Parts: sequence; C-alpha cells; structure tokens
Amino acid sequence: QVQLVESGGGVVQPGRSLRLSCAASGFTFSSYGMHWVRQAPGKGLEWVALISYDGSNKYYADSVKGRFTISRDTSKNTLFLQMNSLRPEDTAVYYCAKAPGIAVTDSYFDYWGQGTLVTVSS
Amino acid sequence: SYELTQPPSVSVSPGQTASITCSGDRLGNKYASWYQQKPGQAPVLVIYQDTKRPSGIPERFSGSNSGNTATLTISGTQAMDEADYYCQAWDSGTYVFGTGTKVTVL
Repeated sequence: QVQLVESGGGVVQPGRSLRLSCAASGFTFSSYGMHWVRQAPGKGLEWVALISYDGSNKYYADSVKGRFTISRDTSKNTLFLQMNSLRPEDTAVYYCAKAPGIAVTDSYFDYWGQGTLVTVSS
Repeated sequence: SYELTQPPSVSVSPGQTASITCSGDRLGNKYASWYQQKPGQAPVLVIYQDTKRPSGIPERFSGSNSGNTATLTISGTQAMDEADYYCQAWDSGTYVFGTGTKVTVL
C-alpha cells in the first residue's frame, strides 16, 4: 500500500533554513509526480510546490517562489523541500502528496502523508 | 489569482443529504476534486475529476461540476462524515484549494 512519511520539521528562527523529507513506498516512485501542501494552524490547505516524475518540471506557489526548492532522489524514493529565508507565516503542517500519474498539471492528490510541523519563531 | 469559495459550515441531520458548494470563475471548464479532513488527520481524496470516486470511498459521496459551481453531495449522511471538506482545481500553473467547509452532523 502507498505510504508517505514526512520528516524534518521543527522549530526554526526567522530567516533560517530547514529541509523536509518525504519517504515514499508501496508504489513506483519514479513514475509519479509529487507535491508539497501546507496547512497553517487552524487554517485551510495551501499548495506549495510540485515536481514531475523525472524532476524535469517544477512549479511553485507565489508565496514560496525563490525561497523554497522541491527535489527528489529516485534512488532513495525520497522527496525533499528545501526551505530558505523562513518567515513566521511559513508556520504550518507540511504534507507530501502523490499525483495520480505522470501528468502533474490539471490533476489532483490521491495519497497524502501524515505531515510534519514547521514552526518559524524567534 | 484564481479563487475557490465554499460556505464556512453546513449542518445536516443523520440520514439526510448534505450539499457543499465550491464557486469559482468558469469552474465548470476545469476538473474539480474534493478532500475530507478529520481533526488531526491528513486529507483524504473523496472525489476526483468532478464525479469519480476513488476505491474505498462510499457510494454516498458524489460530485458534479457545471458553470461556476462544483458540488459535493453526501447522501444518507453518517456521523463519521463529520469533517472539513475542501474543493480543489488547477489554474494557470497553480493548484488552488477552496476555503473549506465544516460539515456538522447534528
């Protein structure tokens, strides 16, 4: 069965960096696009970034463009989110989510991890 | 930027039908998906491509999408359906989520 397990969250000061990981299993990781979605405490869902199955295409929300970088390591079945210049408004639970196929545009999220909490505070 | 608007809350009696709307400019020309999220849990896909149900999702969940509005309908609502629900669509290189609707089963 599909499993997505996020890690790397924690408390970080504004302006610092953090890298999140998402370990994938139960499917052929190299054949699917992957996403990061976040949810601030008590708020709704916000899409953050996506990466195509082969890593050749990446898209970002305007709120993180230029600060966050999505990447993947197919040999380790792992998705990453490098977060730089963190702001208090980046405080959220970060979920990794799987795309249903190779296409990453005009699609949806068919499986989600349990999330990892990132708190940006001095 | 593209926006999807949902009612903040919907109340329904057990066994009755709950309808949750999601409004966006020409949303009917896009695919809409819906997610259920219970407190402290990750979202779960309940409807994709307007009307399709993933395996394991009960038949009481159905969807439609036309004009500017997508609708998630829960027929014969059960206590276990109490949760937050989010619609989602794709527009101009961005995935967009609706504002979310809390469904309360009274």
